[in-house]
Amino acid sequence: GNSVTQMEGPVTLSEEAFLTINCTYTATGYPSLFWYVQYPGEGLQLLLKATKADDKGSNKGFEATYRKETTSFHLEKGSVQVSDSAVYFCALSTTSGTYKYIFGTGTRLKVLA
Amino acid sequence: NAGVTQTPKFQVLKTGQSMTLQCAQDMNHEYMSWYRQDPGMGLRLIHYSVGAGITDQGEVPNGYNVSRSTTEDFPLRLLSAAPSQTSVYFCASSYSIVGGDRSRKLFFGSGTQLSVL
Repeated sequence: GNSVTQMEGPVTLSEEAFLTINCTYTATGYPSLFWYVQYPGEGLQLLLKATKADDKGSNKGFEATYRKETTSFHLEKGSVQVSDSAVYFCALSTTSGTYKYIFGTGTRLKVLA
Repeated sequence: NAGVTQTPKFQVLKTGQSMTLQCAQDMNHEYMSWYRQDPGMGLRLIHYSVGAGITDQGEVPNGYNVSRSTTEDFPLRLLSAAPSQTSVYFCASSYSIVGGDRSRKLFFGSGTQLSVL
């Protein structure tokens, strides 16, 4: 079946540090892949997406590359800010049958000044 | 630009009580869904709908009912609340996937925090 596995958090970094949050997936075919971010007290919002192998999604300094060979979609940012503190969810949309999203368990990021 | 509106924001119930969580969107989205968010479990799909009059079950549908009589509204009903239903509930919607585009993003409401005592 379809599934998404994310690294466990919380991740605590100092401001300006490099961020990587790992995400791997299991799916048939070529799913679309997403990163969503949830700020405290809010719903999730789309951060970036990629729809086919080798695509790179990017937004607000965050990047993730769709790697079909390793079934991965790791999130990276070169220099994090305190305002990036949030919970990050990796997700995929199913490729066949009824349209569904599958989410990972989320990774909490805390950035210290 | 209201987007996806969920009410109430907070609710406390006693075991056995029933209630309806409301969700409305003003973007003419055909796809709507309900998730629950629990620590260590991420988001789990409860029910979803691909259009008015059409609903289907997700991963964790037991104890919940839905209906979709209009495009705008997708209420979630708890028939007899249990402590295991204590969670944060999110409604999310998306544009139609007619044509097979499965890269359309979900728009989320701000959530309902439910406690069942």
